[in-house]
Amino acid sequence: GAGVSQSPSNKVTEKGKDVELRCDPISGHTALYWYRQSLGQGLEFLIYFQGNSAPDKSGLPSDRFSAERTGGSVSTLTIQRTQQEDSAVYLCASSQSGNYGYTFGSGTRLTVV
Amino acid sequence: SQQGEEDPQALSIQEGENATMNCSYKTSINNLQWYRQNSGRGLVHLILIRSNEREKHSGRLRVTLDTSKKSSSLLITASRAADTASYFCATDAPMDTGRRALTFGSGTRLQVQP
Repeated sequence: GAGVSQSPSNKVTEKGKDVELRCDPISGHTALYWYRQSLGQGLEFLIYFQGNSAPDKSGLPSDRFSAERTGGSVSTLTIQRTQQEDSAVYLCASSQSGNYGYTFGSGTRLTVV
Repeated sequence: SQQGEEDPQALSIQEGENATMNCSYKTSINNLQWYRQNSGRGLVHLILIRSNEREKHSGRLRVTLDTSKKSSSLLITASRAADTASYFCATDAPMDTGRRALTFGSGTRLQVQP
């Protein structure tokens, strides 16, 4: 597609439930990134996929968080047993490589109640 | 900890004035980028400056980079109300330092009064 697409745009879930967030990057972009942003804060790095290389998971805050990228395209971020502190906007971005600017999706606003 | 830190945290100016935002970082970099964010959603890439460049222009934007001081500045000239947004700097570490994803600062909230 023309841009990075994220779904859902908004998600309200009960504490303890699992959620899946989806990111569809720009076709041909080999790099895909997940960040999260709490209200009024900067972006916190979560995970990075580059081609067929092993992902950089160093930003995942706990083992409740996981992500996969199937076929080098669509990515899913899964949060298990959600907690209230997981509430944030989850942003996905893609790029041609590390030396180019990122194209961001509009994000998924996750609210854990 | 944040690699990039913007200064000021918030800036309010009148339309037509220039806006200057600064960014400081800690480690060596491959490149530095500036992004803009409206209404807390997706960020838009504005400009990328490489570590061997000192200044770059794009329309009303001017970015400088001083690697000796580990700092960058973003200047928006002749500001407009539509420039109201949050602005973030982000650094991309060289390939031999591990982290391959951009590290973002906490942002400067710019308000341009009409």
